[in-house]
Amino acid sequence: NAGVTQTPKFRVLKTGQSMTLLCAQDMNHEYMYWYRQDPGMGLRLIHYSVGEGTTAKGEVPDGYNVSRLKKQNFLLGLESAAPSQTSVYFCASSSGAYNEQFFGPGTRLTVL
Amino acid sequence: GIQVEQSPPDLILQEGANSTLRCNFSDSVNNLQWFHQNPWGQLINLFYIPSGTKQNGRLSATTVATERYSLLYISSSQTTDSGVYFCAVEEGGTASKLTFGTGTRLQVTL
Repeated sequence: NAGVTQTPKFRVLKTGQSMTLLCAQDMNHEYMYWYRQDPGMGLRLIHYSVGEGTTAKGEVPDGYNVSRLKKQNFLLGLESAAPSQTSVYFCASSSGAYNEQFFGPGTRLTVL
Repeated sequence: GIQVEQSPPDLILQEGANSTLRCNFSDSVNNLQWFHQNPWGQLINLFYIPSGTKQNGRLSATTVATERYSLLYISSSQTTDSGVYFCAVEEGGTASKLTFGTGTRLQVTL
C-alpha cells in the first residue's frame, strides 16, 4: 500500500500561470481533503470531498478549484496563481467523518 | 469556529529527558489526532485519540474530552524526536474539518 501520494513534490510557477496538483489514495477511502500549510502555522483546509463526484469548500477556498471524478483521486487546481498561494499543500484521506485522517508527503509550491 | 491552543510553543530538551505537550480546545470534539512533522516536512500520524489513553513505545497520549484537553507524553527523548508536534481536532457536528493548533516545536540535543 502506497497510502496517500501527491504529484508533483515541488513546483515553481510565475504569477498568472495555472497548474493542477494530483492526490491519489489506495485505501478505498470515501473522504479526501486538501490543506495548505504556511510558515510557522498549522494546516488549513482548502476543499474537501465526502465521496466520488462531490466537493465542498473548506476554510480558505478562494483561488482554488477541485474535482473528484474517481474515488481514488482528488485534484486541486490553481487557475491563475498568485504569490499568496506560495505554500506547502497536503492531501489527506479518511474512511469517513470523525475517522483518522492520513496525509500525503506534501507539494511545495512557489509562485514568483 | 473551534479554537485549538498548544503549549509550550517551543521546547528544548537534552536527550533522555521526558516532556509533556498540551493541547486545549474550546468546544466538544469527535476526533483528535496528534502528528509529528519531521524536519523534512513529512506529517506522521502519532495518535487518533478522541478520548482515553493510548501508548506507542516511548510516546503516550491522553484526551479528557469533558475537560477539553489532550496531553502528549514523550519519554526518554531522542534526537529523532525533534520537529513540530501538532494537535488537530474535528469539531462535533461539522463536516470532517480538522482544525490544527499552531504546534510545539521540539528540539532534542545531545
